[in-house]
Amino acid sequence: GAVVSQHPSWVICKSGTSVKIECRSLDFQATTMFWYRQFPKQSLMLMATSNEGSKATYEQGVEKDKFLINHASLTLSTLTVTSAHPEDSSFYICSARGGRYEKLFFGSGTQLSVL
Amino acid sequence: GQNIDQPTEMTATEGAIVQINCTYQTSGFNGLFWYQQHAGEAPTFLSYNVLDGLEEKGRFSSFLSRSKGYSYLLLKELQMKDSASYLCAVRDNAGNMLTFGGGTRLMVKP
Repeated sequence: GAVVSQHPSWVICKSGTSVKIECRSLDFQATTMFWYRQFPKQSLMLMATSNEGSKATYEQGVEKDKFLINHASLTLSTLTVTSAHPEDSSFYICSARGGRYEKLFFGSGTQLSVL
Repeated sequence: GQNIDQPTEMTATEGAIVQINCTYQTSGFNGLFWYQQHAGEAPTFLSYNVLDGLEEKGRFSSFLSRSKGYSYLLLKELQMKDSASYLCAVRDNAGNMLTFGGGTRLMVKP
């Protein structure tokens, strides 16, 4: 089956620094990838849709200047949390569509803790 | 827009059967997915329904009624490892977006 790799799995950073999270589709091409955010005991909240070769589409309330998304190739999308603050601490998950039913395959997630 | 409702929490006994319901009101519909998510991990795909009826896959089955905007996930012969959150998600007509329900946290007790 399709595999989506996400890196890093967890990161601890100081307030004010930037963190980059990578999402790769390993055995299929993904023209569209999705970035989700999840707080403890809550469901996935879509942050943005990442489109290869074009600008990402952000959901309402998501700051595009804070959460920079780059989808430079058909197998790689990156999310950069700029000037991170403690309230940005969360579980971030990427996904890509593929395979049978065009279902979403999820990366393993990144737990971000901002001190 | 999409509005998806499912119970927040459920508790069941090991070996028993549990049914997790999901109702949706959507502006478009092109399939319903169920995902399982263990704490701290990414969701994993369980099932997909686009036509009415029951889809069975081992201990898990999923049912869909499009006219009622209703689906359920049925888990049989519950095991302790089934303790997880179960997410219902609906895909829109364009097939681009998945909207997730709030998830149902299932606790399986001995």
